[in-house]
Amino acid sequence: GAVVSQHPSRVICKSGTSVKIECRSLDFQATTMFWYRQFPKQSLMLMATSNEGSKATYEQGVEKDKFLINHASLTLSTLTVTSAHPEDSSFYICSAKDVSSYNEQFFGPGTRLTVL
Amino acid sequence: QKEVEQDPGPLSVPEGAIVSLNCTYSNSAFQYFMWYRQYSRKGPELLMYTYSSGNKEDGRFTAQVDKSSKYISLFIRDSQPSDSATYLCAMSAVLSTGGTSYGKLTFGQGTILTVHP
Repeated sequence: GAVVSQHPSRVICKSGTSVKIECRSLDFQATTMFWYRQFPKQSLMLMATSNEGSKATYEQGVEKDKFLINHASLTLSTLTVTSAHPEDSSFYICSAKDVSSYNEQFFGPGTRLTVL
Repeated sequence: QKEVEQDPGPLSVPEGAIVSLNCTYSNSAFQYFMWYRQYSRKGPELLMYTYSSGNKEDGRFTAQVDKSSKYISLFIRDSQPSDSATYLCAMSAVLSTGGTSYGKLTFGQGTILTVHP
């Protein structure tokens, strides 16, 4: 149980285009999903917290107009990187918290974004 | 000073060795402690989840929490080459009355472990 999927696993795009990444909880309902980014050999940095049916809460320094988050259902959250630039190239990982869990988060496999 | 400090390693041990991974933290509000394992280009996988001070054992893994010293450890017994990965400690605080901070994890830098045959 507690499986989280992400799609796509890898995406390459041109500078200036927008990219959407999906995060799904496959066998549980997630009231809260989290989006992280991870640079090579570095730890995970929380970008935003997404609660189903409400606006996401962004961490300091994360541009909410650039990283659009939608959490429309208890099993799906999306992150859209708008007008992507090479500096946005990174590993994006989502996690989901089961409604019955207080703090335990389950992570997706990540999405490797490369902006040319 | 970072809220969570973890020695990034890298750590290289022979197969069968006991591995000790450690994190220290400064925020006394942290109450929940987790260890994740991350293979290259993959998402983190939850290994251990603890709340109280003391030891928790699961197979070859033992998680230890010392809240008085703000120190947590993960021990791996009889280490295997398949244990080679990056190990991340993570912790979170108790739900606040504001409601938006619960479940927010703060990660250590991760320790790169290699177990060689």
